[in-house]
Amino acid sequence: EVQLVDSGGGLVQPGGSLRLSCVASGFSFRSYWMSWVRQSPEKGLEWVANLNEDGSKKYYVDSVKGRFTISRDNAEKSLYLEMNSLRVEDTAVYYCARDSAGYDAWGQGAVVTVSS
Amino acid sequence: EIVLTQSPGTLSLSPGERATLSCRASQTVMNNLLVWYQQKPGQAPRRLISGASSRASGIPDRFSGSGSGTDFTLTISGLEPEDFAVYYCQQYATLKTFGQGTKVEIK
Repeated sequence: EVQLVDSGGGLVQPGGSLRLSCVASGFSFRSYWMSWVRQSPEKGLEWVANLNEDGSKKYYVDSVKGRFTISRDNAEKSLYLEMNSLRVEDTAVYYCARDSAGYDAWGQGAVVTVSS
Repeated sequence: EIVLTQSPGTLSLSPGERATLSCRASQTVMNNLLVWYQQKPGQAPRRLISGASSRASGIPDRFSGSGSGTDFTLTISGLEPEDFAVYYCQQYATLKTFGQGTKVEIK
């Protein structure tokens, strides 16, 4: 069974940092592009970042460029999102997702709240 | 950026009725690279349709997708109680953008 388990969310002050993790199982993790997608009541669903199979190509939505870094460890079957200089508007549920004709598998979501 | 506009915002229907959801793109979605998702409260989205019309594995055949270019439709031929949820379209031709969603609620 394909499974993605997100972790690392929490409450952080504006300007702070968080690192999200996603552990994959049930499929050949190293064979897929992977993404982070977030969802908030204000913005709805929004693609945040993705990277290719070996992590050599990375893409970001403009609003997080220079602040967020996506990475992966294929040996550990893990995906990461390092989030720095967090803003109130980054508050959302963050999902890791497998890129395959859209997103065919999703984590359960990690709640990130940026507030003073 | 391709903007996707879904209509209506809310659809109030009874079980057994047919639901027709629309997704309109601000520019052509190349190769009809459009997906439909279903999301229930507290859950992640679930992919229903990819490539505008291909049902994902395990999705009942009452769900069908159609359309091309800038206009796409998700049809649920006879609503079951478990189908009342929010539905999103997404294009993955140019970066990836989502529509704002259509809520299908029980009338």
